[in-house]
Amino acid sequence: LAKTTQPISMDSYEGQEVNITCSHNNIATNDYITWYQQFPSQGPRFIIQGYKTKVTNEVASLFIPADRKSSTLSLPRVSLSDTAVYYCLPYNTDKLIFGTGTRLQVFP
Amino acid sequence: DVKVTQSSRYLVKRTGEKVFLECVQDMDHENMFWYRQDPGLGLRLIYFSYDVKMKEKGDIPEGYSVSREKKERFSLILESASTNQTSMYLCASSPPYLSGYGYTFGSGTRLTVV
Repeated sequence: LAKTTQPISMDSYEGQEVNITCSHNNIATNDYITWYQQFPSQGPRFIIQGYKTKVTNEVASLFIPADRKSSTLSLPRVSLSDTAVYYCLPYNTDKLIFGTGTRLQVFP
Repeated sequence: DVKVTQSSRYLVKRTGEKVFLECVQDMDHENMFWYRQDPGLGLRLIYFSYDVKMKEKGDIPEGYSVSREKKERFSLILESASTNQTSMYLCASSPPYLSGYGYTFGSGTRLTVV
């Protein structure tokens, strides 16, 4: 399984754009990249997934370069409610193995 | 709204008790998973199942067993609860293909073993 590396924590202020980068140097050819969000005392929630280039939904954008060795989750204009832990995971249809994630703290 | 429901939000059990954690999903998903989450250790996979009556060990199966008698229900069993099994337990389900919606997690059961 591909190992991922993310920053342990990030701080931001309301209204700013936040970019969280994840490295996954040995990602398998048929793996997608998925991102999850987790609030305290809740289960993780799926945010977005992609294979290559850019994917956008109502919550976030995901940028994956051609070599697929990294990916960047972009959260536009964050609010206090975006304070959470964000996980990057390679995924096919196998089991999900979580890393420690990035703890995002948004300040007023 | 699709759901994964865990039977209890909070549980307190005594050391040595047999504990059952129940998880039910209403999405007709083939795949179901049990994780535990501890501070500083993240989410760790205990057991998973890709079909009824089928089970596979995850990364930390010791002290646990599972049961999947029906497609919608996946039970985690602590055969003899110990204090080091005090944790947040999370159940998840997914289809066996890339759906674009990822895993759906339950809200978790916070188990305290005293």
